[in-house]
Amino acid sequence: GAVVSQHPSRVICKSGTSVKIECRSLDFQATTMFWYRQFPKQSLMLMATSNEGSKATYEQGVEKDKFLINHASLTLSTLTVTSAHPEDSSFYICSAGGGDRGGRAFFGQGTRLTVV
Amino acid sequence: AQSVTQPDIHITVSEGASLELRCNYSYGATPYLFWYVQSPGQGLQLLLKYFSGDTLVQGIKGFEAEFKRSQSSFNLRKPSVHWSDAAEYFCAVAYNNNDMRFGAGTRLTVKP
Repeated sequence: GAVVSQHPSRVICKSGTSVKIECRSLDFQATTMFWYRQFPKQSLMLMATSNEGSKATYEQGVEKDKFLINHASLTLSTLTVTSAHPEDSSFYICSAGGGDRGGRAFFGQGTRLTVV
Repeated sequence: AQSVTQPDIHITVSEGASLELRCNYSYGATPYLFWYVQSPGQGLQLLLKYFSGDTLVQGIKGFEAEFKRSQSSFNLRKPSVHWSDAAEYFCAVAYNNNDMRFGAGTRLTVKP
């Protein structure tokens, strides 16, 4: 299967700072990337969908000014958590799809963000 | 290492036939278990989840899954498949508050 690399796997930051999470498709061109957030003991929540070269589509209730998503190339999408607060501490995971992969999606390893 | 295995990459069934998608996990204790479905270009949709209690879980769209501790399995079933069920299905596990891990997915094709 395809490889999607998400970095960093874990990050601890101070409240008020910003954190950038990268999601790279290593062996295919990902025309679409999804960003999810996992809440404890709950399923994933889709935050936004990004298509290469266009603005991300955010789900209802997700602050687009706080969670900045950039999908500037077919192999890289970034999620920046701006002015992070402890309540932003969570597990964030991306998935990439499209290109020559027939609509299949492949997941990154996830990023555990802890805001102190 | 913690792992989630979906042995079948691609399954084809006829419309109206029954379906079973397999999922095995390697955690030592019972994790939280999930099944998601993804249609092309769409985000994941939660079909069902198991945390505790009754080992047979009912989900949306007529799907159910059964947790079998002895087999470390959480297979997804549907008695009669509809053409609209064609999609990719992901099994996922999370242990306590640990991070979610996904299987590689199973692509379901439905024949008329």
